[in-house]
Formats: sequence, C-alpha cells, structure tokens
Amino acid sequence: NAGVMQNPRHLVRRRGQEARLRCSPMKGHSHVYWYRQLPEEGLKFMVYLQKENIIDESGMPKERFSAEFPKEGPSILRIQQVVRGDSAAYFCASSPPRAPWTEAFFGQGTRLTVV
Amino acid sequence: GESVGLHLPTLSVQEGDNSIINCAYSNSASDYFIWYKQESGKGPQFIIDIRSNMDKRQGQRVTVLLNKTVKHLSLQIAATQPGDSAVYFCAERSQGAGGTSYGKLTFGQGTILTVHP
Repeated sequence: NAGVMQNPRHLVRRRGQEARLRCSPMKGHSHVYWYRQLPEEGLKFMVYLQKENIIDESGMPKERFSAEFPKEGPSILRIQQVVRGDSAAYFCASSPPRAPWTEAFFGQGTRLTVV
Repeated sequence: GESVGLHLPTLSVQEGDNSIINCAYSNSASDYFIWYKQESGKGPQFIIDIRSNMDKRQGQRVTVLLNKTVKHLSLQIAATQPGDSAVYFCAERSQGAGGTSYGKLTFGQGTILTVHP
C-alpha cells in the first residue's frame, strides 16, 4: 500500500518561474490537504480539497497560489511567478472520506528552492 | 490570534532516560490535539492524539497529557532511544465551519529531541 506520493522531492526554480507540485493521495483517500513549512518552523495549513472541490483555502496566499484536485490524477499546488520567500517544504496529507484524522498520512514533501 | 507554541526548542537526553516535550496552545475552542514526529527530510509522522474531553492518553512508550485549565500539552517518551531523535510538533484542531472537523491543524514551532547513546 503506497503512501502519499509527492513529486518532485526537490524543485529549483528561478524567480518569476512557475512551480507545480503534485500529490497523489493514498488509495481510497479522496481528501487532500496542503501545508507549507518554512525552515525551523511548524507546518502551516494552506488548503483542503476534495475531488473537484476546494473546501477551505483560508491558508492560501491571495495571489500567485492555486490548488486543484481533479476527478482523475493527482492534486496540484501551483505557484506562479515564484519569489525567494516561496522557498519552503510543501507537504500534502490525504485522508479517507468520513474517517478520523488518525487515518490521515503525510507525504515526504517537496522542497522548493527559489534562486 | 490562534497559536501553538513550545517552551523548549531543544532537548538532549541520554538513551534510556524519559523525555518530556511541552507545548502551550491558546485556542480554547480546540477539540483535538496531536503529536507528530518529523525526521530530517521526511514528512510528519503521527505519534499519538488526544481529544479535549480527556486529560491523558497512553500509547506504546508514549503518553500525552492535556491540561485544559492552563492550555498545556505534553508528550512523554519512556526509555528514549536514539531512533527517537527527531523534531516533535504538537498540533491542534478547531472545529471548522458548521461545526465540522477536518484536517485543518495549527502546528507549534517544534522541539528538537537529541538522544545520546
């Protein structure tokens, strides 16, 4: 049973480029969460998605950031026109529907470096 | 605003000792608390959780204590092993819109636990 798969594991982008981070949830999981972790800090909630729906995007910056979880395929976190401050580790977690949080798992993260 | 913070950023112990990691939270509406372990280069790994209607919960070698009066959470690790070396985060969850609960967590800053053989 593969865990939550995130790719790429490491991503380097120049300022102004776009970053696309992918998250494939565990089998049977239809809920996806994205979190951002700055160096030496805890994770910060960004967005909660179910298939084809954004449920809570209260942690997403108003500009340049977007997330989707299509009917088919992985969830995508997209950052347009990246800036140095976007450098961070981005983690995805997935959970089954109507399940306690103890059945949720985090992926290994994508480490984004903006140069 | 909401915040979850830790008193001690680093903790060094000898193998076999017991470890205690502390956490303070400020949102009295939080109904669920979790401790995570994060090893270098990896994602957070669930350790143990506790609901707000409890004050203690035990797992294998770990115990979580919740004191709602002073909004304090602690993680106790018995017989600490070198493999326990990692960053430990507490996280809290408040009810979402309409009284629903999901995985919108507020994490603390983290405590680095180092276990010396």
